[in-house]
Amino acid sequence: AQKITQTQPGMFVQEKEAVTLDCTYDTSDPSYGLFWYKQPSSGEMIFLIYQGSYDQQNATEGRYSLNFQKARKSANLVISASQLGDSAMYFCAMRAASGTYKYIFGTGTRLKVLA
Amino acid sequence: EAEVAQSPRYKITEKSQAVAFWCDPISGHATLYWYRQILGQGPELLVQFQDESVVDDSQLPKDRFSAERLKGVDSTLKIQPAELGDSAMYLCASSSRGGTGGAGELFFGEGSRLTVL
Repeated sequence: AQKITQTQPGMFVQEKEAVTLDCTYDTSDPSYGLFWYKQPSSGEMIFLIYQGSYDQQNATEGRYSLNFQKARKSANLVISASQLGDSAMYFCAMRAASGTYKYIFGTGTRLKVLA
Repeated sequence: EAEVAQSPRYKITEKSQAVAFWCDPISGHATLYWYRQILGQGPELLVQFQDESVVDDSQLPKDRFSAERLKGVDSTLKIQPAELGDSAMYLCASSSRGGTGGAGELFFGEGSRLTVL
């Protein structure tokens, strides 16, 4: 069975600082994808970054990078140079790459960027 | 820009009434998901379609919830009868690919917020 765990209900970061949001996962599938989504207070879910289980390098998208440690089953999101607009809920998600391609989410981390 | 359309945006109903939500995914997206998100929590998968077929409905409360995607395009999620605990955001998402290769990220609609009184 698949499982995503986000242990930080809430995080604070000073504007312009970097912050790491934790995500661990569990799956028996050899192939899978890991994702991060942002959900501002307006409610829409915004895709941020993707990491494939066989990707050799950590994914990066602008100020977002994914610290992928396969042996530890962790996929932490790093946001560099935080901005006030980064304040939102952040969800880690996993998609199986076989079978039903089930797509599950963690419980989320609420990030607040302080001016 | 192509979007996932959902309606209604907001629905207030009394318990024991029936309610239905509609979703039109991005054209060409074969995989469609319905999630329920309680305020402050992560989305919980209710049902997943591949074309017109249900591939996962293990978390769908089948005594009161039903979902269909008859022609493999748009989809309807129904609740009958609604209960107080059904108050939540119902999110529809679609994806163009389900296998390996590429991101296969989800594209979400704006959601349907249900309040059951």
